[in-house]
Amino acid sequence: EPEVTQTPSHQVTQMGQEVILRCVPISNHLYFYWYRQILGQKVEFLVSFYNNEISEKSEIFDDQFSVERPDGSNFTLKIRSTKLEDSAMYFCASTPQRDSPLHFGNGTRLTVT
Amino acid sequence: QKEVEQDPGPLSVPEGAIVSLNCTYSNSAFQYFMWYRQYSRKGPELLMYTYSSGNKEDGRFTAQVDKSSKYISLFIRDSQPSDSATYLCATWGAGNMLTFGGGTRLMVKP
Repeated sequence: EPEVTQTPSHQVTQMGQEVILRCVPISNHLYFYWYRQILGQKVEFLVSFYNNEISEKSEIFDDQFSVERPDGSNFTLKIRSTKLEDSAMYFCASTPQRDSPLHFGNGTRLTVT
Repeated sequence: QKEVEQDPGPLSVPEGAIVSLNCTYSNSAFQYFMWYRQYSRKGPELLMYTYSSGNKEDGRFTAQVDKSSKYISLFIRDSQPSDSATYLCATWGAGNMLTFGGGTRLMVKP
């Protein structure tokens, strides 16, 4: 069964550094998402992406964040200058159409020191 | 008011018990509801997907939606220790995003 893959599984970075989290969504899916989960807290929406542009973003997704789909398979989340509070699990998800279930990857654990 | 709310638990049951997990949601316009299971440090895994009111069964799992009371439930029959996880309800809320409840942690003891 096709799946969403994310790399790396764990990323440690120093405060102020840039990080790029990578995702390969399921190949025939059209809608792409990033979610975040701080340890012990709920899964929170960051951004949705469709037709090569952001369709929606949350208050968390400020100017430090950006997303890109550089080719037909990859979908990336960049954090320009990481803060301690960016430490969390970051999940990529995709779906073939609106209102259908999202398929999630196993996440990247980001630790900012 | 939060769009989707869940009791965080933990809920502890003996193996073989019937488990009932519940969520409430705020907007009567919501129509698509999902249950996800999340093991520690893993991504949410889709369990059940329902549209509008009624029941849907898949093996030991039954999802139920009551739109009149804005209440969704997941029942697990013959619970197993491997069912121990956090269960997340979710719905397509306002906008192009899936909104999650906070999750209920379930522990099934052998």
